Amino acid sequence: KNQVEQSPQSLIILEGKNCTLQCNYTVSPFSNLRWYKQDTGRGPVSLTIMTFSENTKSNGRYTATLDADTKQSSLHITASQLSDSASYICVLHKAAGNKLTFGGGTRVLVKP
Amino acid sequence: GEEVAQTPKHLVRGEGQKAKLYCAPIKGHSYVFWYQQVLKNEFKFLISFQNENVFDETGMPKERFSAKCLPNSPCSLEIQATKLEDSAVYFCASSQLQTGRGTEAFFGQGTRLTVV
Repeated sequence: KNQVEQSPQSLIILEGKNCTLQCNYTVSPFSNLRWYKQDTGRGPVSLTIMTFSENTKSNGRYTATLDADTKQSSLHITASQLSDSASYICVLHKAAGNKLTFGGGTRVLVKP
Repeated sequence: GEEVAQTPKHLVRGEGQKAKLYCAPIKGHSYVFWYQQVLKNEFKFLISFQNENVFDETGMPKERFSAKCLPNSPCSLEIQATKLEDSAVYFCASSQLQTGRGTEAFFGQGTRLTVV
Protein backbone atom coordinates (compact mmCIF):
# COMPACT_ATOMS: atom_id res chain seq x y z
CA LYS A 1 0.00 0.00 0.00
CA ASN A 2 1.36 3.42 -0.95
CA GLN A 3 2.45 5.45 2.05
CA VAL A 4 1.43 8.71 0.37
CA GLU A 5 -2.05 8.92 -1.13
CA GLN A 6 -3.25 11.89 -3.14
CA SER A 7 -6.71 12.99 -4.16
CA PRO A 8 -8.27 13.65 -6.50
CA GLN A 9 -6.37 11.77 -9.21
CA SER A 10 -7.28 14.46 -11.70
CA LEU A 11 -9.02 17.79 -11.69
CA ILE A 12 -10.32 20.24 -14.30
CA ILE A 13 -10.77 23.86 -13.27
CA LEU A 14 -11.52 27.11 -15.06
CA GLU A 15 -8.86 29.76 -15.35
CA GLY A 16 -9.02 32.18 -12.44
CA LYS A 17 -10.61 29.71 -10.05
CA ASN A 18 -9.03 28.26 -6.91
CA CYS A 19 -8.50 24.61 -6.13
CA THR A 20 -7.19 22.45 -3.30
CA LEU A 21 -5.33 19.18 -3.63
CA GLN A 22 -5.15 16.65 -0.81
CA CYS A 23 -2.38 14.41 0.46
CA ASN A 24 -2.80 11.76 3.16
CA TYR A 25 0.27 9.95 4.40
CA THR A 26 1.25 7.18 6.74
CA VAL A 27 4.99 7.84 6.66
CA SER A 28 6.06 8.39 10.26
CA PRO A 29 8.22 9.83 11.57
CA PHE A 30 9.18 12.16 8.76
CA SER A 31 11.52 15.10 8.55
CA ASN A 32 9.90 17.14 5.78
CA LEU A 33 6.99 17.20 3.35
CA ARG A 34 7.30 18.64 -0.14
CA TRP A 35 5.01 19.57 -2.97
CA TYR A 36 6.38 19.33 -6.49
CA LYS A 37 4.97 20.48 -9.82
CA GLN A 38 5.70 18.30 -12.82
CA ASP A 39 4.93 19.60 -16.29
CA THR A 40 4.39 17.01 -19.01
CA GLY A 41 7.69 15.63 -20.21
CA ARG A 42 9.70 17.48 -17.58
CA GLY A 43 11.25 16.72 -14.23
CA PRO A 44 9.53 17.70 -10.96
CA VAL A 45 10.15 21.21 -9.67
CA SER A 46 9.91 22.01 -5.98
CA LEU A 47 7.08 24.32 -4.87
CA THR A 48 7.25 24.11 -1.07
CA ILE A 49 9.20 22.27 1.60
CA MET A 50 7.76 22.07 5.14
CA THR A 51 9.37 20.50 8.16
CA PHE A 52 7.19 18.36 10.41
CA SER A 53 6.78 21.32 12.79
CA GLU A 54 5.50 23.79 10.19
CA ASN A 55 1.80 24.29 9.45
CA THR A 56 1.84 26.34 6.29
CA LYS A 57 4.17 27.57 3.58
CA SER A 58 3.48 29.74 0.57
CA ASN A 59 5.17 30.21 -2.76
CA GLY A 60 3.36 32.84 -4.79
CA ARG A 61 -0.11 31.53 -5.61
CA TYR A 62 0.68 28.14 -4.08
CA THR A 63 0.00 27.56 -0.37
CA ALA A 64 0.73 24.25 1.33
CA THR A 65 -0.64 23.27 4.73
CA LEU A 66 0.33 20.44 7.02
CA ASP A 67 -1.62 18.83 9.86
CA ALA A 68 0.68 16.31 11.52
CA ASP A 69 -2.08 15.14 13.87
CA THR A 70 -4.35 13.96 11.06
CA LYS A 71 -1.41 13.17 8.75
CA GLN A 72 -2.78 15.37 6.01
CA SER A 73 -1.38 18.05 3.76
CA SER A 74 -3.04 20.20 1.16
CA LEU A 75 -1.89 22.39 -1.69
CA HIS A 76 -4.07 25.36 -2.52
CA ILE A 77 -3.75 27.08 -5.87
CA THR A 78 -5.17 30.59 -5.99
CA ALA A 79 -6.42 32.29 -9.15
CA SER A 80 -5.32 29.45 -11.41
CA GLN A 81 -3.55 30.16 -14.68
CA LEU A 82 -3.24 28.05 -17.81
CA SER A 83 0.40 27.42 -16.90
CA ASP A 84 -0.74 25.68 -13.71
CA SER A 85 -1.78 22.70 -15.83
CA ALA A 86 0.56 19.98 -14.56
CA SER A 87 0.83 17.10 -12.12
CA TYR A 88 1.26 18.04 -8.48
CA ILE A 89 3.07 15.53 -6.34
CA CYS A 90 3.18 15.25 -2.56
CA VAL A 91 6.51 13.88 -1.34
CA LEU A 92 7.64 12.89 2.13
CA HIS A 93 11.12 12.48 3.50
CA LYS A 94 11.33 9.81 6.17
CA ALA A 95 13.18 10.75 9.32
CA ALA A 96 15.71 7.99 8.71
CA GLY A 97 17.66 7.66 5.51
CA ASN A 98 18.05 10.08 2.66
CA LYS A 99 15.34 9.35 0.14
CA LEU A 100 11.97 10.76 -0.85
CA THR A 101 8.66 8.87 -0.91
CA PHE A 102 6.32 10.07 -3.67
CA GLY A 103 2.56 10.16 -3.92
CA GLY A 104 0.84 9.26 -7.16
CA GLY A 105 0.16 12.89 -8.02
CA THR A 106 -2.91 14.91 -8.98
CA ARG A 107 -3.18 15.90 -12.61
CA VAL A 108 -4.61 19.43 -12.90
CA LEU A 109 -5.95 20.85 -16.14
CA VAL A 110 -6.77 24.54 -16.23
CA LYS A 111 -9.17 25.50 -19.02
CA PRO A 112 -9.75 29.01 -20.37
CA GLY B 1 26.43 23.37 -14.19
CA GLU B 2 23.31 25.15 -12.96
CA GLU B 3 20.96 22.31 -13.73
CA VAL B 4 20.93 18.54 -13.60
CA ALA B 5 21.72 17.32 -17.09
CA GLN B 6 20.52 13.90 -18.19
CA THR B 7 21.39 12.16 -21.43
CA PRO B 8 20.04 10.84 -23.64
CA LYS B 9 16.48 12.21 -23.57
CA HIS B 10 15.12 9.12 -25.26
CA LEU B 11 16.51 5.61 -25.53
CA VAL B 12 15.03 2.62 -27.33
CA ARG B 13 16.39 -0.85 -26.68
CA GLY B 14 15.38 -4.30 -27.78
CA GLU B 15 14.57 -6.71 -25.01
CA GLY B 16 17.80 -8.21 -23.69
CA GLN B 17 19.98 -5.30 -24.79
CA LYS B 18 21.98 -3.09 -22.46
CA ALA B 19 20.93 0.48 -21.63
CA LYS B 20 23.14 3.16 -20.11
CA LEU B 21 21.86 6.48 -18.83
CA TYR B 22 23.92 9.47 -17.75
CA CYS B 23 23.46 12.27 -15.24
CA ALA B 24 25.60 15.31 -14.53
CA PRO B 25 24.54 16.75 -11.16
CA ILE B 26 24.64 20.44 -10.31
CA LYS B 27 28.19 21.53 -9.55
CA GLY B 28 28.85 21.48 -5.83
CA HIS B 29 26.06 19.03 -5.02
CA SER B 30 27.23 16.07 -2.99
CA TYR B 31 24.15 13.85 -3.29
CA VAL B 32 22.79 12.18 -6.39
CA PHE B 33 19.57 10.17 -6.60
CA TRP B 34 18.05 7.97 -9.29
CA TYR B 35 14.29 7.46 -9.53
CA GLN B 36 12.19 5.43 -11.93
CA GLN B 37 8.82 6.86 -12.96
CA VAL B 38 6.45 4.38 -14.48
CA LEU B 39 2.90 4.94 -15.69
CA LYS B 40 0.46 6.60 -13.24
CA ASN B 41 3.18 8.91 -12.01
CA GLU B 42 4.59 6.52 -9.42
CA PHE B 43 8.20 7.38 -8.58
CA LYS B 44 10.30 4.49 -7.36
CA PHE B 45 13.58 5.20 -5.57
CA LEU B 46 16.50 3.24 -7.00
CA ILE B 47 19.77 4.42 -5.50
CA SER B 48 21.53 7.43 -3.99
CA PHE B 49 25.15 8.50 -3.79
CA GLN B 50 27.13 10.76 -1.53
CA ASN B 51 29.88 11.89 -3.87
CA GLU B 52 31.23 8.65 -5.37
CA ASN B 53 30.00 6.44 -2.55
CA VAL B 54 26.75 4.52 -2.61
CA PHE B 55 24.55 5.98 0.14
CA ASP B 56 21.40 3.90 -0.21
CA GLU B 57 20.80 1.19 -2.79
CA THR B 58 17.73 -0.42 -1.27
CA GLY B 59 15.64 0.26 -4.38
CA MET B 60 17.97 -1.30 -6.92
CA PRO B 61 17.08 -4.58 -8.66
CA LYS B 62 20.63 -5.78 -8.22
CA GLU B 63 20.56 -8.59 -10.75
CA ARG B 64 20.46 -6.27 -13.75
CA PHE B 65 20.85 -2.69 -12.50
CA SER B 66 24.09 -1.00 -11.56
CA ALA B 67 25.10 2.61 -11.00
CA LYS B 68 28.25 4.64 -10.52
CA CYS B 69 29.26 8.19 -9.67
CA LEU B 70 32.98 8.55 -10.40
CA PRO B 71 34.98 11.75 -9.84
CA ASN B 72 35.07 14.10 -12.82
CA SER B 73 32.59 11.99 -14.78
CA PRO B 74 28.81 12.02 -15.16
CA CYS B 75 26.98 9.54 -12.95
CA SER B 76 25.59 6.54 -14.80
CA LEU B 77 22.79 4.02 -14.43
CA GLU B 78 23.19 0.82 -16.43
CA ILE B 79 20.62 -1.86 -17.08
CA GLN B 80 21.90 -5.18 -18.37
CA ALA B 81 19.54 -7.37 -20.37
CA THR B 82 16.61 -4.96 -20.40
CA LYS B 83 13.08 -6.24 -19.95
CA LEU B 84 9.80 -4.78 -21.18
CA GLU B 85 8.95 -3.78 -17.59
CA ASP B 86 12.04 -1.52 -17.48
CA SER B 87 10.25 0.89 -19.83
CA ALA B 88 9.92 4.07 -17.81
CA VAL B 89 11.30 7.58 -17.39
CA TYR B 90 14.44 7.58 -15.27
CA PHE B 91 15.05 10.76 -13.29
CA CYS B 92 18.25 11.87 -11.70
CA ALA B 93 18.23 14.46 -8.92
CA SER B 94 20.97 16.17 -6.94
CA SER B 95 21.11 18.06 -3.68
CA GLN B 96 23.76 19.99 -1.85
CA LEU B 97 23.09 18.42 1.54
CA GLN B 98 21.05 15.49 2.79
CA THR B 99 17.40 16.00 1.85
CA GLY B 100 16.41 15.18 5.41
CA ARG B 101 17.60 18.64 6.34
CA GLY B 102 15.01 20.21 4.07
CA THR B 103 17.53 20.80 1.30
CA GLU B 104 15.97 21.16 -2.11
CA ALA B 105 16.48 18.33 -4.56
CA PHE B 106 16.76 19.40 -8.18
CA PHE B 107 15.59 16.99 -10.85
CA GLY B 108 16.82 16.55 -14.39
CA GLN B 109 14.52 16.31 -17.40
CA GLY B 110 14.61 12.54 -17.35
CA THR B 111 15.55 9.82 -19.82
CA ARG B 112 12.65 7.96 -21.38
CA LEU B 113 13.64 4.32 -21.88
CA THR B 114 11.46 2.24 -24.16
CA VAL B 115 12.15 -1.48 -24.32
CA VAL B 116 10.63 -3.17 -27.36
